[in-house]
Amino acid sequence: DAGVIQSPRHEVTEMGQEVTLRCKPISGHNSLFWYRQTMMRGLELLIYFNNNVPIDDSGMPEDRFSAKMPNASFSTLKIQPSEPRDSAVYFCASSLGQGAQIETQYFGPGTRLLVL
Amino acid sequence: SQELEQSPQSLIVQEGKNLTINCTSSKTLYGLYWYKQKYGEGLIFLMMLQKGGEEKSHEKITAKLDEKKQQSSLHITASQPSHAGIYLCGADMNRDDKIIFGKGTRLHILP
Repeated sequence: DAGVIQSPRHEVTEMGQEVTLRCKPISGHNSLFWYRQTMMRGLELLIYFNNNVPIDDSGMPEDRFSAKMPNASFSTLKIQPSEPRDSAVYFCASSLGQGAQIETQYFGPGTRLLVL
Repeated sequence: SQELEQSPQSLIVQEGKNLTINCTSSKTLYGLYWYKQKYGEGLIFLMMLQKGGEEKSHEKITAKLDEKKQQSSLHITASQPSHAGIYLCGADMNRDDKIIFGKGTRLHILP
């Protein structure tokens, strides 16, 4: 299995531009998570999907952030417009299970975003 | 506020020495996960603990979940340079799919 795939691995953009991050979860996994990691705040959960449906987006910073999961094998996280404070590493993770039967989440390599 | 507290925040130890990292919660932990992150890379799963008193080992790394299921410790025996990185604990506190993470412990190993 290729594991969780994220693209791009690195993104440098200018303030105000739209940024789209992509994630392909592990085949067969039914939960998908988007995280953001910064030195100041550590690893934060932004949103997670179960069976392609957004379950909890309380971690999404503001309306500039949106996430979609059109099918079981693809998800996007979009920032529009981007701001310098959005600079961080964004991780996608997937897992199999729900509730008490959760298995561990498998993380992708992350996308390093730098907004100038 | 941080629901999971990790201590210490950073740790520098001489190669060959033992060390312990702690992860503490004010709530019951229904699942406790330890991950390692190499600097500049993604997270690598180490161990999962679910039962109070449970202890698991992988090579020279041992993790334990206390009986009350509110604290976990990660112990490394005879540390090596390959152990250097960021150790994160994550916890399932509500029996849902969400794992809340601590801020991590940065471990440096001196040769």
